[in-house]
Amino acid sequence: GQQLNQSPQSMFIQEGEDVSMNCTSSSIFNTWLWYKQEPGEGPVLLIALYKAGELTSNGRLTAQFGITRKDSFLNISASIPSDVGIYFCAGEYGGATNKLIFGTGTLLAVQP
Amino acid sequence: DAGITQSPRYKITETGRQVTLMCHQTWSHSYMFWYRQDLGHGLRLIYYSAAADITDKGEVPDGYVVSRSKTENFPLTLESATRSQTSVYFCASSDGRTTNEKLFFGSGTQLSVL
Repeated sequence: GQQLNQSPQSMFIQEGEDVSMNCTSSSIFNTWLWYKQEPGEGPVLLIALYKAGELTSNGRLTAQFGITRKDSFLNISASIPSDVGIYFCAGEYGGATNKLIFGTGTLLAVQP
Repeated sequence: DAGITQSPRYKITETGRQVTLMCHQTWSHSYMFWYRQDLGHGLRLIYYSAAADITDKGEVPDGYVVSRSKTENFPLTLESATRSQTSVYFCASSDGRTTNEKLFFGSGTQLSVL
């Protein structure tokens, strides 16, 4: 089946540092999404990307839909302790709406 | 505003027992989903439903059964639980009106099969 490779698996950074994580796939996706999951909760959508090359920001978060449609990255600038969580990428596949495949997640820890 | 709720929050059961995880949403979303989350695998789709009485298999459906007699409810049943089904289960819903199909997740059910 289709796979999403997400890296890095984990990051331990100091408050104020910038963060970058990415997802790659062997398949083309029509939509890329980035979710954040906090401890004990379900994932929450951060950013949605619909077109190749698209660059979208949400506060300190910026994500891009790769030109090849096989990758996406998420940057977090000036990290703060509440950025802690697991970040997942997800791609829409199969030509049918609502069917997403998720990456394995990036665990982010921020030291105050 | 209740949103999407899952119950129970935690469940311990034994191998071979039947277990049902409940999911209820108050938005009248047409689409509902069940995912399992395991270390190293991220979230994997078990089953989904596009509307009442319409369900379809996802990536990992074996050992699970779903039903959708009402739009707001989407229970997931493990007919004979196995240890490999120990996982965190997330229900999600979507209104299906936009191409990105934003998913709203419940808080999860942590299931342990002994």
